[in-house]
Amino acid sequence: NAGVTQTPKFRILKIGQSMTLQCAQDMNHNYMYWYRQDPGMGLKLIYYSVGAGITDKGEVPNGYNVSRSTTEDFPLRLELAAPSQTSVYFCASRKTGDTEAFFGQGTRLTVV
Amino acid sequence: EDQVTQSPEALRLQEGESSSLNCSYTVSGLRGLFWYRQDPGKGPEFLFTLYSAGEEKEKERLKATLTKKESFLHITAPKPEDSATYLCAVQAVGSDKLIFGTGTRLQVFP
Repeated sequence: NAGVTQTPKFRILKIGQSMTLQCAQDMNHNYMYWYRQDPGMGLKLIYYSVGAGITDKGEVPNGYNVSRSTTEDFPLRLELAAPSQTSVYFCASRKTGDTEAFFGQGTRLTVV
Repeated sequence: EDQVTQSPEALRLQEGESSSLNCSYTVSGLRGLFWYRQDPGKGPEFLFTLYSAGEEKEKERLKATLTKKESFLHITAPKPEDSATYLCAVQAVGSDKLIFGTGTRLQVFP
């Protein structure tokens, strides 16, 4: 099992550009999460999903969109990149009934 | 609103010098409290889940405890390889969200 795979690992965007951060898991987990982590800060929940076709907002959803068409994939879309979205983004997944969440290695995004 | 506060922000220890990290939480009803370890440039790695006051979990030099308002992560005789950021998170009853604190950055010097 690869676990949770995030791509790309690094990306530089210009203000106003769009991009999709990819997240895939091969553990058949129903729950998936997107977090952002700013320097010296904890993880802030952006969006989460409890299964294919079901998504919900977290603490900081503005400027982001998600979709969950399959159990495996949970992409995060940035439509109009802003410098405030410069951060490290982590995707995580969890099995229904389990408490352990598995995290990807993160995507480091810089908006200039 | 569910909230998690961790202290201290940073902690420097000499190898072998035991100490504790604190995680204070406010939730309407606690479903679970989680501790994670995060190494630089990597995603968090799961350590423990605690469910109810009085519960304790141990793993090597780490021991996590839980009361109705806070959790402690006790580190006994730490080694340099224990250096990392330790994150606390909570899940409220009826919620699927995992809410994280800002973490404690631990450095252990030989």
